[in-house]
Amino acid sequence: GENVEQHPSTLSVQEGDSAVIKCTYSDSASNYFPWYKQELGKRPQLIIDIRSNVGEKKDQRIAVTLNKTAKHFSLHITETQPEDSAVYFCATGVLGFQKLVFGTGTRLLVSP
Amino acid sequence: ETGVTQTPRHLVMGMTNKKSLKCEQHLGHNAMYWYKQSAKKPLELMFVYSLEERVENNSVPSRFSPECPNSSHLFLHLHTLQPEDSALYLCASSQGQGEETQYFGPGTRLLVL
Repeated sequence: GENVEQHPSTLSVQEGDSAVIKCTYSDSASNYFPWYKQELGKRPQLIIDIRSNVGEKKDQRIAVTLNKTAKHFSLHITETQPEDSAVYFCATGVLGFQKLVFGTGTRLLVSP
Repeated sequence: ETGVTQTPRHLVMGMTNKKSLKCEQHLGHNAMYWYKQSAKKPLELMFVYSLEERVENNSVPSRFSPECPNSSHLFLHLHTLQPEDSALYLCASSQGQGEETQYFGPGTRLLVL
């Protein structure tokens, strides 16, 4: 089955810095790659996703890049703010199949 | 946030108890999910229901029993649980049919004594 590895497990940055979180996966059939943000005590919420027909997608301060050949994808957050502090999960899936495999999560701490 | 609701939010139970977790989605979605979230582990998919049919059962012990009476409701029946089953249980739903975004409920924090 699919195996998703996520690094780093924790990431501390200063406000205004950029943060990058990377995930690798094993199943070449995966073609859907969402990222979820989970603030302390709250539910995971989708922040951005990418499908394998594109290599990069951007939404304001967040962007996701995908290298399907190397089977890895990354989340980039620019100009980080304290409210970006949360646990971020990557996931992989196959469109049309209702199943996501999640990474282990990255705890991001943005210090003022 | 009222899209996906879960009750109870917190539950403490003994190993011999029987309890049920409830999930309701108000989004008109066709698929519903149960996940287990433990500390320092990834979200573990337990069950998937699509159009009220179970399509995934990830080798979950039989002490967890799901029920999906209709596309809006999902239950997780619990009996003779173990302390290691203590975790946050998250319900999610998605539209399906190519729309894979999953919307999560707030979760039930379960403690098994």
